Amino acid sequence: DTGVSQNPRHKITKRGQNVTFRCDPISEHNRLYWYRQTLGQGPEFLTYFQNEAQLEKSRLLSDRFSAERPKGSFSTLEIQRTEQGDSAMYLCASSSVIGGNSPLHFGNGTRLTVT
Amino acid sequence: DQQVKQNSPSLSVQEGRISILNCDYTNSMFDYFLWYKKYPAEGPTFLISISSIKDKNEDGRFTVFLNKSAKHLSLHIVPSQPGDSAVYFCAASADDMRFGAGTRLTVKP
Repeated sequence: DTGVSQNPRHKITKRGQNVTFRCDPISEHNRLYWYRQTLGQGPEFLTYFQNEAQLEKSRLLSDRFSAERPKGSFSTLEIQRTEQGDSAMYLCASSSVIGGNSPLHFGNGTRLTVT
Repeated sequence: DQQVKQNSPSLSVQEGRISILNCDYTNSMFDYFLWYKKYPAEGPTFLISISSIKDKNEDGRFTVFLNKSAKHLSLHIVPSQPGDSAVYFCAASADDMRFGAGTRLTVKP
């Protein structure tokens, strides 16, 4: 399977703990995106990378959130000092911008529950 | 800031009939529009897209229409099948991609 892979699928943590999620994009894709989705809402943009460069960050991405893509391949999203409001599905997607517009391909997400 | 809006949270149609899902956007910089389908416990799956230079794109039972002057996008599914029951998101892109809140489609046998 060469789709977008996200790990873990589920994470339950206590408030105040740090969590880290990993995303492995489709190998030939140079763009990688992070979104957050809560019940009844569409995916909300958090940030995206082109290769290893982080090009845009949403104002939703508070200073407790940090994302990296050190070698332009996999990416990690870390949330420090988690709060109950961080409970959501965190989605990763990738795309290739070579040749023009192309759709995002999503992974199955990491569901975070903060207790 | 809700730049992409889907005003109907749900839609129910009979099998074999047409399903029409609607979407409005506010950002005139958007130049690429897409529809995604989502099943529970899965990520959104790309369905069909359209560039701003076109007003219609068709792929089998799915057709997307774009009205740039009205900043309106729609997805037609003909004929609708029970397996089409899912949540449908419209999305629009200038550089990053923004999504609507989704419409839950139920196709009844």
